[in-house]
Amino acid sequence: QVQLVQSGPEVKTPGSSVKVSCKASGGTISTYGINWIRQAPGQGLEWMGGTIPLNAIPNYAQKFQGRVTITVDESTNTGYMEVSRLTSEDTAVYYCARDESADTGLGDWGQGTLVTVSS
Amino acid sequence: DIQMTQSPSSLSASVGDRVTITCRASQSINRYLHWFQQKPGKAPKLLIYGASTLQSGVPSRFSGSGSGTDFILTISSLQPEDFATYYCQQSYKFPRTFGQGTKVEIK
Repeated sequence: QVQLVQSGPEVKTPGSSVKVSCKASGGTISTYGINWIRQAPGQGLEWMGGTIPLNAIPNYAQKFQGRVTITVDESTNTGYMEVSRLTSEDTAVYYCARDESADTGLGDWGQGTLVTVSS
Repeated sequence: DIQMTQSPSSLSASVGDRVTITCRASQSINRYLHWFQQKPGKAPKLLIYGASTLQSGVPSRFSGSGSGTDFILTISSLQPEDFATYYCQQSYKFPRTFGQGTKVEIK
């Protein structure tokens, strides 16, 4: 089973950027899709973007296009998600999750990273 | 974007009850539909993928059915550890949208 370990909590000021990491062990990150999902306090799950297996070109939800950047570093088996121009509405827990193909579901999840945006 | 609508948004049930949650897609998604369980403070857990395939390690009281636009998650006999929030998600097209969630509470 693949384990995903995310970076620690962050506190950011409005207008700044945050970069969250997701390190994979037990598999090669380029062979599966890495998705990023966030959950604001008391709210549901929101898919932000992700890659598909063997293709590092990410897809983004329209809402996040131009403000979110998803990358994969194969040398360290780590995925990254950077959000720029943060506002208080970006305060949320950010999760990475992996799938092996579109029909297998997100079978493994990171533990989540709390990002707090406050002045 | 494909909209995913779950119903009900919440329900109260007793241990041993049969529980059904529905998920409707705004367009056909074939069987690219997955169900997740989330408990407070925890990451979501995959229960069912491909509309009806039980993820390894998930109890057999959970089952899924449906194709096209209409899907159902069934818990045949609710157990104390099943009180949680359940989400559906489609992976037919990007963006891979989630339903709004169904909170299952103790009656």
